[in-house]
Amino acid sequence: GQQLNQSPQSMFIQEGEDVSMNCTSSSIFNTWLWYKQDPGEGPVLLIALYKAGELTSNGRLTAQFGITRKDSFLNISASIPSDVGIYFCAGPNSGSARQLTFGSGTQLTVLP
Amino acid sequence: SQTIHQWPATLVQPVGSPLSLECTVEGTSNPNLYWYRQAAGRGLQLLFYSVGIGQISSEVPQNLSASRPQDRQFILSSKKLLLSDSGFYLCAWSYRGSYNSPLHFGNGTRLTVT
Repeated sequence: GQQLNQSPQSMFIQEGEDVSMNCTSSSIFNTWLWYKQDPGEGPVLLIALYKAGELTSNGRLTAQFGITRKDSFLNISASIPSDVGIYFCAGPNSGSARQLTFGSGTQLTVLP
Repeated sequence: SQTIHQWPATLVQPVGSPLSLECTVEGTSNPNLYWYRQAAGRGLQLLFYSVGIGQISSEVPQNLSASRPQDRQFILSSKKLLLSDSGFYLCAWSYRGSYNSPLHFGNGTRLTVT
C-alpha cells in the first residue's frame, strides 16, 4: 500500500528558531494534510493542500504541496513552547479516498 | 459548527473484560466515521470506518468490533480485552461525498488493559 516517509522523526530546537519537516512518497497524492497532536489529545488539522505547487500559510505555519505531488513540507517560523507536539502529514489512500495514509510523525521539542 | 465527543477519556480494564467506547458527532449529517488506534504516541492505525448506519469496514482483523447504530454515533467494542489492546483510541469524522475531505479527530480514549 501507499506509504508516507516523514522526517525527521524528532527535533529539539531552541525557542525562536525556525523548523522544517517534510513528507515524501513513492506514489502521487492529490491532497496533503498536516496535523498537530498535543500530548494526550487528538490530532488537529493545521493546513490542507489540494493543488500541486500550492503554498499555504496559517499564522507562523507554512506548508507546500510539491510539484511532483510526491512530497510536501511544513515550516514553522519563530517557534514557541506551545509548538511542542507531534506533527503528522497525511494524504488520501489511493484505494479509497475515504481513508487517509499517515506519516509516522515528527516529535517536536522546543527548548526555552 | 461541528463537534466530536469521545468518552471516556481514560479507562483501565482487566484482561478478559468487555469494552465499549462511544463517539458522537454534532453539527453535521451523514458523516464518514472512523476508529483509529495509536500506540506509543506515534503511528495512527485505522481500525474501522463507516459510511453509513450499519455499514462497517474493518481494516485490521482483531478482537475488536465497531457498530454504528445511529447516523452520528460510532461505538468500538470488545467482548474480551487483551493486554495488546492497550493504547490511545481516536474517533474521527469527515464529510461524506467530499473527495479528499480531511478527518477531524476527537480527543481520544487512553485504554490501559491490566
